[in-house]
Amino acid sequence: DQQVKQNSPSLSVQEGRISILNCDYTNSMFDYFLWYKKYPAEGPTFLISISSIKDKNEDGRFTVFLNKSAKHLSLHIVPSQPGDSAVYFCAARGPGSARQLTFGSGTQLTVLP
Amino acid sequence: ETGVTQTPRHLVMGMTNKKSLKCEQHLGHNAMYWYKQSAKKPLELMFVYNFKEQTENNSVPSRFSPECPNSSHLFLHLHTLQPEDSALYLCASSPTGSSGAFFGQGTRLTVV
Repeated sequence: DQQVKQNSPSLSVQEGRISILNCDYTNSMFDYFLWYKKYPAEGPTFLISISSIKDKNEDGRFTVFLNKSAKHLSLHIVPSQPGDSAVYFCAARGPGSARQLTFGSGTQLTVLP
Repeated sequence: ETGVTQTPRHLVMGMTNKKSLKCEQHLGHNAMYWYKQSAKKPLELMFVYNFKEQTENNSVPSRFSPECPNSSHLFLHLHTLQPEDSALYLCASSPTGSSGAFFGQGTRLTVV
């Protein structure tokens, strides 16, 4: 059973508008959440993260929101740019001594010019 | 460029072949990982090494055999693979206990 779910395999957004990518998790012991971005033929690269003790973290055009009661997090990109077109993976850390990352299946974002 | 280098980038192998994937990082990280990404599936963690010691094996079939000779290098030895093993194999590294990981570009493996 997937502990981290990204239910939308794809999302298309017009350039300049907001992109909202969603992620749900089931394990309340996860203590850190991350978003990775992946271009074709490249490995995932870290984008932004949030600790479970916070509900928002902002970095430039990227903001991650965490709703612990709903076990839901989202990534907002505003304004969206064509270069943001990529697959976005949500990941959650822990629990356990190895503190490993559990990934969602990814959402393909396409920003249309 | 994340500082994690994987070779080869592409590999086609027959089911009776033996091949190895290589991963190298000079970031000073002590933890290294192998992940498998199949189409439309989450990244699946295969193996974890901390300070050259394997600390996790997520029920990976024995036809995949990892090796970590030092904290900068990680190998994945492949033998008698099946077509369903075709996937993108990603190596990652992180400082021990860190929340994030740096990924290599991956090896696109096709088993024929």
